[in-house]
Amino acid sequence: DIVLTQSPALAVSLGQRATISCRASQSVSISRYNLMHWYQQKPGQQPKLLIYRASNLASGIPARFSGSGSGTDFTLTINPVQADDIATYYCQQSRESPPTFGGGTKLELK
Amino acid sequence: EVKLLESGGGLVQPGGSLRLSCAASGFTFTDFYMSWIRQPPGKAPEWLGVIRNKANGYTTEYNPSVKGRFTISRDNTQNILYLQMNTLRAEDTAIYYCARQTTEGIAYWGQGTLVTVSS
Repeated sequence: DIVLTQSPALAVSLGQRATISCRASQSVSISRYNLMHWYQQKPGQQPKLLIYRASNLASGIPARFSGSGSGTDFTLTINPVQADDIATYYCQQSRESPPTFGGGTKLELK
Repeated sequence: EVKLLESGGGLVQPGGSLRLSCAASGFTFTDFYMSWIRQPPGKAPEWLGVIRNKANGYTTEYNPSVKGRFTISRDNTQNILYLQMNTLRAEDTAIYYCARQTTEGIAYWGQGTLVTVSS
């Protein structure tokens, strides 16, 4: 299985930039497609898709969220961070079966 | 509006069985791959398996971690997705989500149903 590694937590101030990283144990890119997706999850809720295929904003997601990366290294950026963004963020790869999720990064207020 | 509504969760003893259901609406059910994903308390989600769409013969694929114990099926006349779980263990305790899986990530998730395996 492809293992996705995320830092467990990140502390950020409101109005600042948050950069959340995800590293894959092997490439999750095929040709021009980077098969990495990002989700936000708040307590008691199901995950919400933020970014698909590394850099595409999902429907209804604010433009302060963006994604980048290719191969094995990917980044989710939130700029500026708002209070409503305090949550846990997961990356997920669909390059190889089984699809796997990272361990999650909990975004906290500094 | 796409809706996915799981049911069937609850408390079950180790070694027992449970069948979860997911009622889908708001889209053409047969056009989509449908998945089950679980999330143990405080942990990351884990993909359990998928049942493909009509164009791909409704074939199934499973995570090796549950293959042989869990079975995914679908009723395409009633738009219901199922997860049959057998020989349950304490480590199967989790919230179970049904989801609509595409190459553009998982945009639609149900609200989840809690399965607790305990004596």
